[in-house]
Amino acid sequence: QVQLVESGGGVVQPGRSLRLTCAASGFTFSNYDMHWVRQAPGKGLEWVAVISYDGSNKYYADSVKGPFTISRDNSKNTLYLQMSSLRGEDTAVYYCAKAMTTVTSSLGYWGQGTLVTVSS
Amino acid sequence: QTVVTQEPSFSVSPGGTVTLTCGLSSGSVSTSYYPSWYQQTPGQAPRTLIYTTNTRSSGVPDRFSGSILGNKAALTITGAQADDESDYYCVLYMGGGIWVFGGGTKLTVL
Repeated sequence: QVQLVESGGGVVQPGRSLRLTCAASGFTFSNYDMHWVRQAPGKGLEWVAVISYDGSNKYYADSVKGPFTISRDNSKNTLYLQMSSLRGEDTAVYYCAKAMTTVTSSLGYWGQGTLVTVSS
Repeated sequence: QTVVTQEPSFSVSPGGTVTLTCGLSSGSVSTSYYPSWYQQTPGQAPRTLIYTTNTRSSGVPDRFSGSILGNKAALTITGAQADDESDYYCVLYMGGGIWVFGGGTKLTVL
């Protein structure tokens, strides 16, 4: 069955960088677009970024464009989110999500999330 | 910037029917926005209910259905149960690779 396991979260100081990882299994990773979504404490879901199945296309929410970079390694079935110049507003649980099908990029299966806390 | 709108809260009686909506601050939602719906309980990851307007995700009971109603996407729950009490989020595809979530609806079953 589909499994997505995020890691790399933790407490980081403002202005520092952090890389999140999402390990995928149970499906052919290289066939699906992948997303990152975040949720600040007590707030709603915010779409962060998407990367196409082959890594050739990447799109970002305006709120993270520039400091955040999405990438993937299809040989390792792994999705990444490199976050730099972190601010308090980036404090959130970060989820990776697999597109529902190979035809649509609609978000489908979700990981359990990893918490990033930006604080001095 | 276009905002995706959802009712902040809604209440339904057990066994009742409720329709949650997902709109745009400017314009109408159509199937071209590929609306999807997600259910989330506190402390848990979201669960996909509906994608591409009206396709149910695997394992989702058929009492959850998606549609376009007027100028909004809609999620209808028929025969509401106590464990349907959750937060519900919609997301819309805005084009250019960009997706935007609504603010979510807190559904109370009582």
